[in-house]
Amino acid sequence: SQTIHQWPATLVQPVGSPLSLECTVEGTSNPNLYWYRQAAGRGLQLLFYSVGIGQISSEVPQNLSASRPQDRQFILSSKKLLLSDSGFYLCAWSVWGDSGYTFGSGTRLTVV
Amino acid sequence: KQEVTQIPAALSVPEGENLVLNCSFTDSAIYNLQWFRQDPGKGLTSLLLIQSSQREQTSGRLNASLDKSSGRSTLYIAASQPGDSATYLCAVPTGTASKLTFGTGTRLQVTL
Repeated sequence: SQTIHQWPATLVQPVGSPLSLECTVEGTSNPNLYWYRQAAGRGLQLLFYSVGIGQISSEVPQNLSASRPQDRQFILSSKKLLLSDSGFYLCAWSVWGDSGYTFGSGTRLTVV
Repeated sequence: KQEVTQIPAALSVPEGENLVLNCSFTDSAIYNLQWFRQDPGKGLTSLLLIQSSQREQTSGRLNASLDKSSGRSTLYIAASQPGDSATYLCAVPTGTASKLTFGTGTRLQVTL
């Protein structure tokens, strides 16, 4: 069966520090991978998506970057965090066709 | 550009009531429509996935319908329980890499 792992679950980081959030998928090959962010009391915003290894598309200009070093691994990074980077980050996967989306459990990031 | 709207934004009902959540979308060229549940501070749990060729999907006390031509979907919850309290989101994949467009959400509270 397919599963998605996302860690850490919570993170408190000082302004200006680096960030690395990791997401891995099991039980499927060549998935589409996505990073979403949900600010407090707000809706879900698509940050990045990837249709293959090394292929990253950015939806909004921001202080973050993403990488896909392996087929089922998706990493969200920042060199220097800003207060505005605080939020709930969700990783998700889908495959071409009609399988729908599966989301990870999320990482709550607080930048202080 | 796909726009997804959910009505009502918030709903409070006593336990045992049947209820309907509404979702409307502007572009009817969709592959499927997915309903999610989000508990406070948690990730998204997929409830039902309706393919574009289907009219309904059922899972336990949940029934989702889809009318592509009119750009509408409904989520019917029978015999509501306090444990159903959560935010319900509908979403449709559109464009490149089937990026999900989320509705605005309905916050449901089921009271004892």
